[in-house]
Amino acid sequence: QQQVKQSPQSLIVQKGGISIINCAYENTAFDYFPWYQQFPGKGPALLIAIRPDVSEKKEGRFTISFNKSAKQFSLHIMDSQPGDSATYFCAAMGSNTGKLIFGQGTTLQVKP
Amino acid sequence: GAGVSQSPSNKVTEKGKDVELRCDPISGHTALYWYRQSLGQGLEFLIYFQGNSAPDKSGLPSDRFSAERTGGSVSTLTIQRTQQEDSAVYLCASSLAGVGETQYFGPGTRLLVL
Repeated sequence: QQQVKQSPQSLIVQKGGISIINCAYENTAFDYFPWYQQFPGKGPALLIAIRPDVSEKKEGRFTISFNKSAKQFSLHIMDSQPGDSATYFCAAMGSNTGKLIFGQGTTLQVKP
Repeated sequence: GAGVSQSPSNKVTEKGKDVELRCDPISGHTALYWYRQSLGQGLEFLIYFQGNSAPDKSGLPSDRFSAERTGGSVSTLTIQRTQQEDSAVYLCASSLAGVGETQYFGPGTRLLVL
């Protein structure tokens, strides 16, 4: 009920390509879905977030697609750059709790 | 300060010793969270403070772990009788309010239990 499953575990993309990371959740009480980016030695930083009343949200090169019926959401990074190389975590939060449930993370490497 | 700060940044201790980890949240943020990040378990929620409400301790892995938040600001996470499996990065986050708000993370404290 509390799990968030993330795939792939690692991803290698060429510069300029599209990076796609997928997450699936089980608990239908989740209503806030953020993505965090983490560089080595740093804490996670919010990248973009979505609520289930919309199916897509775009901020610059980053887009979240959300499929409520399938209980899935994904992060798309357009025109991927070497500076995007980091670990990405999806997460979910319920409406009556402040705690984030995180996916296992995806290590992205963008090759120049 | 500009962001969430944590101290110490690194801590090495011997098995069986107690450790205290400190978190200074962003000024004005009423909610404060502790998470643990380890290789095998990913990012795990530990505890959540919201204003004057009783904290949500549902993520604390054992009674060796405790946390307090004094004056609605600084928080201390205490691990008693540390074990090797406690080795991890302990992350603190804060948010302006609570539910559904963006959580801003500190850099973490890297704990190594020998």
